[in-house]
Amino acid sequence: GEDVEQSLFLSVREGDSSVINCTYTDSSSTYLYWYKQEPGAGLQLLTYIFSNMDMKQDQRLTVLLNKKDKHLSLRIADTQTGDSAIYFCAGLTGSNTGKLIFGQGTTLQVKP
Amino acid sequence: NAGVTQTPKFQVLKTGQSMTLQCAQDMNHEYMSWYRQDPGMGLRLIHYSVGAGITDQGEVPNGYNVSRSTTEDFPLRLLSAAPSQTSVYFCASSRTSGGRTGELFFGEGSRLTVL
Repeated sequence: GEDVEQSLFLSVREGDSSVINCTYTDSSSTYLYWYKQEPGAGLQLLTYIFSNMDMKQDQRLTVLLNKKDKHLSLRIADTQTGDSAIYFCAGLTGSNTGKLIFGQGTTLQVKP
Repeated sequence: NAGVTQTPKFQVLKTGQSMTLQCAQDMNHEYMSWYRQDPGMGLRLIHYSVGAGITDQGEVPNGYNVSRSTTEDFPLRLLSAAPSQTSVYFCASSRTSGGRTGELFFGEGSRLTVL
């Protein structure tokens, strides 16, 4: 089954870029996801990448996928204080079940 | 759009009590699941269901039961609450075909404290 690992904490200054890293084990995952959780709230989908892609850009967000190393990253350009949250990467495990396995979550702290 | 609705939002139990966390979705999603979130542990899958009448265990199923009698509802039952079950519980649903399989839609969470 899938196992997903993330570092737990990242602190950046407002306006800098943030890079959150994730490693996963199941190379058969068709989609890899990034979710954002704000304090006291549920998780919301931030972005995703299909496994046959190397990169996906969506406004300030860039997702890079290195399938050889099973490494996924999320880059947030021009990080704002509103980006402070917990970010989870998740991979699909099993076939056609929708069963996601999540990493531990990276807490992003943005200092003014 | 209601999406995924969880109740209650907060609950305090004594050790040994039982209770049910309710989850309902109105998106006609086949897949529904329950996760628990603990500090430093991320989200861990408790149970999941790929359709009415079908359930299966996730990573941490012990102490919890589920059933799926309708597409819309997926209740989580704590049989005899223990302090180790103090956590925030999230229900989530998704399609299983025809799109981004695994794009989960989450409820707002239920915070459970077991004394």
